Amino acid sequence: AQRVTQPEKLLSVFKGAPVELKCNYSYSGSPELFWYVQYSRQRLQLLLRHISRESIKGFTADLNKGETSFHLKKPFAQEEDSAMYYCALRRERQLTFGSGTQLTVLP
Amino acid sequence: NAGVTQTPKFQVLKTGQSMTLQCAQDMNHEYMSWYRQDPGMGLRLIHYSVGAGITDQGEVPNGYNVSRSTTEDFPLRLLSAAPSQTSVYFCASSYRTDQSSYNSPLHFGNGTRLTVT
Repeated sequence: AQRVTQPEKLLSVFKGAPVELKCNYSYSGSPELFWYVQYSRQRLQLLLRHISRESIKGFTADLNKGETSFHLKKPFAQEEDSAMYYCALRRERQLTFGSGTQLTVLP
Repeated sequence: NAGVTQTPKFQVLKTGQSMTLQCAQDMNHEYMSWYRQDPGMGLRLIHYSVGAGITDQGEVPNGYNVSRSTTEDFPLRLLSAAPSQTSVYFCASSYRTDQSSYNSPLHFGNGTRLTVT
């Protein structure tokens, strides 16, 4: 069975500092991975997906199959990045989420 | 488009009571799903549907029933509520159901906060 692990429940960084939210997965097939974000009082929404190799709001995430990781990175954190972040893995018709990391960017 | 609409926003039940959480989407999405969100456990899939008349179990289906009589609606039923079902419930939908989900992100509702006493 697939599994998604986000080891940090809480993460605090200062504005302008780099941030990395960790995500590790276990899956025997070819993974399809995503990052979803939930800002305060807003709906959970897609941030980015590995297949598109995109940068959204300055965030990037690289799939490392050797380390089975999909860490989310941003070189310079902003206060508006404060949110709950979920890593997710799709297998067929099911999306499995990690337990989430609450990111706080301090002024 | 209203997107994914969930009702009610809040609900308090007593143990043993039944209720239905409503979910509707106006995006003509094939795929609909229900998740529960619990502290430290993230979102766990309860049930999902790939089209009208088709439903399947997710990771934590026990205690919940679903049906999909129309493309738009996907209600979640609790037949006999238990305190362990206290949670925040999210409905989510997406357009496609095949493995290539490039153009099919999940769209979430605002959630229903359920307390069972």
